Amino acid sequence: LAKTTQPISMDSYEGQEVNITCSHNNIATNDYITWYQQFPSQGPRFIIQGYKTKVTNEVASLFIPADRKSSTLSLPRVSLSDTAVYYCLVGDEAGRRALTFGSGTRLQVQP
Amino acid sequence: NAGVTQTPKFQVLKTGQSMTLQCAQDMNHNSMYWYRQDPGMGLRLIYYSASEGTTDKGEVPNGYNVSRLNKREFSLRLESAAPSQTSVYFCASSDPGMWDQPQHFGDGTRLSIL
Repeated sequence: LAKTTQPISMDSYEGQEVNITCSHNNIATNDYITWYQQFPSQGPRFIIQGYKTKVTNEVASLFIPADRKSSTLSLPRVSLSDTAVYYCLVGDEAGRRALTFGSGTRLQVQP
Repeated sequence: NAGVTQTPKFQVLKTGQSMTLQCAQDMNHNSMYWYRQDPGMGLRLIYYSASEGTTDKGEVPNGYNVSRLNKREFSLRLESAAPSQTSVYFCASSDPGMWDQPQHFGDGTRLSIL
């Protein structure tokens, strides 16, 4: 399974755009990139998933360059409720194999 | 729609006691997983079941056993609890092979072993 590297923590203010970059140099051809969000005392929650180029949903955007060795999660206009830990995972067809979680990025949004 | 339900939510054990954590999903998913999360850390896979009738070891299986009782239920057993197993345990399920079908997690069981 490809290992991922992401910043330990980030700080932002309400209303700003937040970009969290994840490095996955050893990503395999069949691997997808998936981001999860985890609030204290809760299980991780799926945010977005992609294979290449750009994916957007109602919550976030995911940018993946052509070489797929990194990806960037973009959260538009964050609010206090976006304070959480964000995990970048790489795996073969989400769910086919158990995913490997790193330590994640702890995002703190200030008023 | 309950999703993934874990019981109990909290438990305190003494060293050497046994315990079974229960997990049930109502999404008709084929695959189920058990993870543990230690303070300030990411999740680590203990065991998973790719489909009913199969189980496989994950990253940290020692001290645990699992049973895939049926398609809905996947239990995790600690035969002789140790303080090192104090952690938050998460169960998850998914429908592998389906694009855009991520893992769905329960809210965890907080286990303390004295």
